[in-house]
Amino acid sequence: DADVTQTPRNRITKTGKRIMLECSQTKGHDRMYWYRQDPGLGLRLIYYSFDVKDINKGEISDGYSVSRQAQAKFSLSLESAIPNQTALYFCATSETGSGGTDTQYFGPGTRLTVL
Amino acid sequence: QQQVKQSPQSLIVQKGGISIINCAYENTAFDYFPWYQQFPGKGPALLIAIRPDVSEKKEGRFTISFNKSAKQFSLHIMDSQPGDSATYFCAAGKSDYKLSFGAGTTVTVRA
Repeated sequence: DADVTQTPRNRITKTGKRIMLECSQTKGHDRMYWYRQDPGLGLRLIYYSFDVKDINKGEISDGYSVSRQAQAKFSLSLESAIPNQTALYFCATSETGSGGTDTQYFGPGTRLTVL
Repeated sequence: QQQVKQSPQSLIVQKGGISIINCAYENTAFDYFPWYQQFPGKGPALLIAIRPDVSEKKEGRFTISFNKSAKQFSLHIMDSQPGDSATYFCAAGKSDYKLSFGAGTTVTVRA
């Protein structure tokens, strides 16, 4: 979905390097999420943010940090990359709704390889 | 530990056949059950979703069946087409808007 963009789309880095993945959205949504996708494990939530001042850990936040620079921007950082962080990373957004039924809109993903 | 268990991991179906994917959950607080479809090189996109107050929801060739007592729900793809070849994820959510996803099922429709 062009409304949610991720940069870079592909990145190869070395163990120990710091890396930042960026996400921007033009949907005007308050809520943003970072997931990683691994074969056989599906999508796992890393961090989520319900507004600029609200940041929450997901189920697999160790080794990651995030920054919500503005309503439209949510960045994911790997402070010291390790090979088992090799994965496909997705950013998603959703708008404030009721009853947990809001649709999440995903970006195209960033394929990260840590050597 | 995944909160939503999905099976099978993959399936192959002939064009015109029925694809069935099953999911099970434990947390009775879940009140929203969406299915997402992902094509290669793309992000997942919402396909269809159901709330536990109904047992079935149909949209075109796609149907969700929901069994609250068994804590299970399934996706049926009727008259499967080659364009349906994709990975399908079930998910479950609560009022805090977080979703827990299943491991995914890769569906291949043979012409």
